[in-house]
Amino acid sequence: QLQLVQSGAEVRRPGASVNVSCKASGYNFIGYYIHWVRQAPGQGLEWMGWVNPNSGVTNYAQNFQGRVTMTRDTSITTAYMELTRLTSDDTAVYYCARESLEYDNSGFFSTWFDPWGQGTLVTVSS
Amino acid sequence: SSELTQDPAVSVALGQTVRFTCQGDSLRRYYASWLQQKPGQAPLLVFYGKNNRPSGIPDRFSGSSSGNTASLTITGAQAEDEADYYCYSRDMSGNPAFGGGTKLTVL
Repeated sequence: QLQLVQSGAEVRRPGASVNVSCKASGYNFIGYYIHWVRQAPGQGLEWMGWVNPNSGVTNYAQNFQGRVTMTRDTSITTAYMELTRLTSDDTAVYYCARESLEYDNSGFFSTWFDPWGQGTLVTVSS
Repeated sequence: SSELTQDPAVSVALGQTVRFTCQGDSLRRYYASWLQQKPGQAPLLVFYGKNNRPSGIPDRFSGSSSGNTASLTITGAQAEDEADYYCYSRDMSGNPAFGGGTKLTVL
């Protein structure tokens, strides 16, 4: 069964760090990028970055450069996202998602996220 | 601000047809995919690529694309379709980008 299972909710003080895990199963883990997306309360989806599970190469959204680190452990098919120097603005649900992509013969590029993890609520409060 | 633009909210009468749109220059070369999100749940893929519906998604969901606009249509909206709908694709730099989302109310 294709699925991503994330670690549980976390509460942190401002200035602290948080590490969220994302366990993949049901597919070839190294064949698909894992992305991290967050959603603040009542807000939309915000892309944070991706990790290539095969090589470990990462790409981070500019808003998170210097504060986020995405890693993976292929032996246990798990991806991780660490966010440092937390503030109350980082209170959100954090999701991991598997990306698929393909080109069609008209030159168009398709990309989609499926499946998604169940989400991890990170609360930053003093 | 998002490089993919969606209407903030739309409503539809039960059983009628509703269309969501997503606009952005990058959609001239990238297909959009569409996500449904119900309160307290993770997003769910409902349509992707030129004409693809994931397994388990009802066939009342369909998609299309023209120029810089992608569309998701629900033909015969049901009460359980009430949710937020997000388009997703790439921006002009090739980085992932989400639309701001459209809240669907089924009357």
